[in-house]
Amino acid sequence: GAGVSQSPSNKVTEKGKDVELRCDPISGHTALYWYRQRLGQGLEFLIYFQGNSAPDKSGLPSDRFSAERTGESVSTLTIQRTQQEDSAVYLCASSLVGTAYNEQFFGPGTRLTVL
Amino acid sequence: TQLLEQSPQFLSIQEGENLTVYCNSSSVFSSLQWYRQEPGEGPVLLVTVVTGGEVKKLKRLTFQFGDARKDSSLHITAAQPGDTGLYLCAGAVRTNAGKSTFGDGTTLTVKP
Repeated sequence: GAGVSQSPSNKVTEKGKDVELRCDPISGHTALYWYRQRLGQGLEFLIYFQGNSAPDKSGLPSDRFSAERTGESVSTLTIQRTQQEDSAVYLCASSLVGTAYNEQFFGPGTRLTVL
Repeated sequence: TQLLEQSPQFLSIQEGENLTVYCNSSSVFSSLQWYRQEPGEGPVLLVTVVTGGEVKKLKRLTFQFGDARKDSSLHITAAQPGDTGLYLCAGAVRTNAGKSTFGDGTTLTVKP
């Protein structure tokens, strides 16, 4: 497809379980970003990939959160031992680094609910 | 750490009114973007400004980048219910790499 896609669109899990969220960026975009958005709030930066490496992991809330990217394409965000405070929408964005504008194109997000 | 403050946080107006939302920082940005996000969707890019003092118009929306490239405003003329959403500004310090800093957004509700 032409845009950023994310799966699943919704995920309900029990406290303590692990979850994996997937992001497929726009083809050819070398930069990929993960954000967390709590209800009614702005975007909280989690991690940024340039190619397959992550020069900025400063936003990951705890060691329960990790992310990887392979083939300069798909990325997965993994949350281990989920807690209720992890409930939020997780947004992925990609960007064609090298342009003058660092414009980001967002996916529709994954809504995570931890019971 | 670059911070972007948006104001007001919430704005509720009647159809046909004009409004301005603001995005302020003590940091200088190479470029600044405005996004609109509707419920259940990801943010969608509206505009990018890169030059101090730059003004861009998108139909009824007017975007301005401050002369010092530290602040920006979004003015909507004759607001319509379709303008309802969360408006986010995002600044980039380097022009070709790295992450953008997002503000917390302005939630706009336009009542018919």
